[in-house]
Amino acid sequence: DADVTQTPRNRITKTGKRIMLECSQTKGHDRMYWYRQDPGLGLRLIYYSFDVKDINKGEISDGYSVSRQAQAKFSLSLESAIPNQTALYFCATSDFPQIGANVLTFGAGSRLTVL
Amino acid sequence: QQPVQSPQAVILREGEDAVINCSSSKALYSVHWYRQKHGEAPVFLMILLKGGEQKGHEKISASFNEKKQQSSLYLTASQLSYSGTYFCGTERANDYKLSFGAGTTVTVRA
Repeated sequence: DADVTQTPRNRITKTGKRIMLECSQTKGHDRMYWYRQDPGLGLRLIYYSFDVKDINKGEISDGYSVSRQAQAKFSLSLESAIPNQTALYFCATSDFPQIGANVLTFGAGSRLTVL
Repeated sequence: QQPVQSPQAVILREGEDAVINCSSSKALYSVHWYRQKHGEAPVFLMILLKGGEQKGHEKISASFNEKKQQSSLYLTASQLSYSGTYFCGTERANDYKLSFGAGTTVTVRA
């Protein structure tokens, strides 16, 4: 099984619908991140969490919310999806400060299409 | 603020070399390099820490110029397996999160 699992892998939805993307990890890492990937724009940080009680906004948090239900679970929600939220979403974890560097392990990605 | 990567794309023949550059306007603590194959997740290649030495992964190496806040990734004697999109990720001191560049797509042809 993958260390970082994202569900669903693909989702097509309509404008205005609420969508949740889920991420779970078996690595025991405290730090979890949600990134969005768009062609030509690279990976942009949406939200990140250093533990269950610590949630932080990233570069592009507007229109998104997150929930850290447990150390292993970090969900991303789109309360009312819009077409420009069509993108590939990645969850990532890091084991900082255990090895002294913030190395990320990514999930396989969730491709979201908003019509 | 996202770092700036160049070039956007490069096409190589097997055995050729290439350099990918990454620059930031902010003082950096570390620079990371990741590679993403088509349809897959980004995978960590190496990290360069402030004050650290040049790193290597197979025939891929990187350097970090702290004074200029620039890093370069060197693909030496490229192989078909080097094809993919390379991202630099930058981290500032006490920031604990990575900002990624737009990526450089590398295509290696036989």
